[in-house]
Parts: sequence; C-alpha cells; structure tokens
Amino acid sequence: KAGVTQTPRYLIKTRGQQVTLSCSPISGHRSVSWYQQTPGQGLQFLFEYFSETQRNKGNFPGRFSGRQFSNSRSEMNVSTLELGDSALYLCASSSEAVREKLFFGSGTQLSVL
Amino acid sequence: TQLLEQSPQFLSIQEGENLTVYCNSSSVFSSLQWYRQEPGEGPVLLVTVVTGGEVKKLKRLTFQFGDARKDSSLHITAAQPGDTGLYLCAGIKAAGNKLTFGGGTRVLVKP
Repeated sequence: KAGVTQTPRYLIKTRGQQVTLSCSPISGHRSVSWYQQTPGQGLQFLFEYFSETQRNKGNFPGRFSGRQFSNSRSEMNVSTLELGDSALYLCASSSEAVREKLFFGSGTQLSVL
Repeated sequence: TQLLEQSPQFLSIQEGENLTVYCNSSSVFSSLQWYRQEPGEGPVLLVTVVTGGEVKKLKRLTFQFGDARKDSSLHITAAQPGDTGLYLCAGIKAAGNKLTFGGGTRVLVKP
C-alpha cells in the first residue's frame, strides 16, 4: 500500500504570495490532518478533514485554509504569506476505525523570502 | 508554554549507552503516543499507551505511561546509531480529539 504522498516537496515563495499544498492519503483512509512544524514551536495542529468536511481546527489565522475532495485527497492553502509561515507542513491520514493512528507524509518544506 | 513538556531537548550519547526521554504535563490524557522523526521525513508512530501505569516494550525501547496518565517516558537500552532522530510524544485528551505534540527530544547516537 502506498503511503501518504505530499507535493511539492520543496517550495520557495515571497511575502504576500499564496501557496497550495497537496496531500494524497493512504488508500481507504478518509481522515486527513495537517500540521505545521517549526524549530521554535514544534508540531502544531492546523485542521482535520473527514468526508470533505472540516472536523477539527487549530489556532491558526484565517489565512490558512484547507479542503478535502471526494477521493479524500486534501489541499491546504496559505494566502498573503508571511516570513513566519516558513515551516515544514505535514499531512497525516488515518482510518476511521483507528483515528488516533496517524500516518504522516514526508512533508512540504516551505520557505518564504 | 507547551501543554506537553519533553526533556531533555537534546541528548548525545555513545553507541551502547542507555537513554531516557521524558514527557510531562499537568493535564490528563486518555492516551499518549511516541513518534520518531528522521531528517527529511514525517514522524513515524512507535507506540500508543492507553492505561495508567502501562509499560510497553518494543525490542530495545520501553515505554511507560504514568499512573495518573499525565506523563510518559521512553527508555532505550544499548542505543545504536540507527536510533538517532527526533522523538516526539503526543497526547490525546479524548477519543477522536486532535493530538497535542510535545516539543521533541533530539537524540544523537554516536558510533
């Protein structure tokens, strides 16, 4: 079974731009969560999607948004990028039977210049 | 302030030595997980502990959940260079709720 796939792997943007990151979960997994990882703050929860609906949300500004498609693939979008948005963005999928067992992708490393 | 505090933040040891990483909180968790993350990769789940006082062994790794379900520890016996990585604890307050991660402990095992 293929793992969680995140694209792109690396991204360089400038302040004020927007960015869209993509995540394909493990086949059969319908829950997708997004996390931001920085050296200073560690791993912080952004949001969770299940069946195309946002089920949980972390404490991030409205510039961070996401969506999930009918095939469970998910995208997250960050608008009006700030220098502080530079981070590793991780996506994780899980099955509904064992929601707490997360399988993470390798992440998208975003650098904002 | 992190809800889950990990200590130490960094640990450097020689191959063959033992090490212990701690994960502490003032909050009660229904379960607690440990992950290992290697550079350029996402975290990989090592274990989930759900019962206060529970001890789980995974080869040379021993995980313990505190009696009050507020803390946990990870002990590695006879560490090997392959154990090098970032160890993260993560707590769940109630079934179906989001995970809260600790700040991580970076472990370096030198050959």
